[in-house]
Amino acid sequence: GQSLEQPSEVTAVEGAIVQINCTYQTSGFYGLSWYQQHDGGAPTFLSYNALDGLEETGRFSSFLSRSDSYGYLLLQELQMKDSASYFCAHLGLANTGFQKLVFGTGTRLLVSP
Amino acid sequence: DTAVSQTPKYLVTQMGNDKSIKCEQNLGHDTMYWYKQDSKKFLKIMFSYNNKELIINETVPNRFSPKSPDKAHLNLHINSLELGDSAVYFCASSQDGRGASNQPQHFGDGTRLSIL
Repeated sequence: GQSLEQPSEVTAVEGAIVQINCTYQTSGFYGLSWYQQHDGGAPTFLSYNALDGLEETGRFSSFLSRSDSYGYLLLQELQMKDSASYFCAHLGLANTGFQKLVFGTGTRLLVSP
Repeated sequence: DTAVSQTPKYLVTQMGNDKSIKCEQNLGHDTMYWYKQDSKKFLKIMFSYNNKELIINETVPNRFSPKSPDKAHLNLHINSLELGDSAVYFCASSQDGRGASNQPQHFGDGTRLSIL
């Protein structure tokens, strides 16, 4: 089967930097996505890594190491509005050839003043 | 101008009832999905359709039946509701869902289903 493990909760203060890790055991791996979900809201796409290395999008960066089956999401200059749940998701293909996302266990980020 | 919209937002019903959730997307996407998010926030795919054709069907009880009348709509009908069906159900869409290129999925706001 496929599994993606994340810490259940991370806490930090405004202005700080926080890293949310994701370790995975999957087959047919094409890439790792990250989604943000505020309480009561919809998951929204943040970033995607197909290759090893760092992808930067504003205050958020995402890293992937395929050889280590590991990735992380880095959030800089934390703001109160970043308090949310963050999910890594493995991109693979179903046997029909269409994309299938398998989500990680999710990390709840609490940002305090 | 909502991209992916689901109705209803809340659904409270008795065990044994039958209910439907509707989803529509105006993004021009070819592929739509249904996900279930449980009380521990674990998000799991249930079904996916590409241009009205079923392409992903995970191990889901037969009581759940998706229907896609056209590529912009994907509905979910649930028969004989059980306590364990209580969850948030999310609809999502992506461009065409083929191959290994990055195609972010756009999610609706979810339908909160509570079984009494």
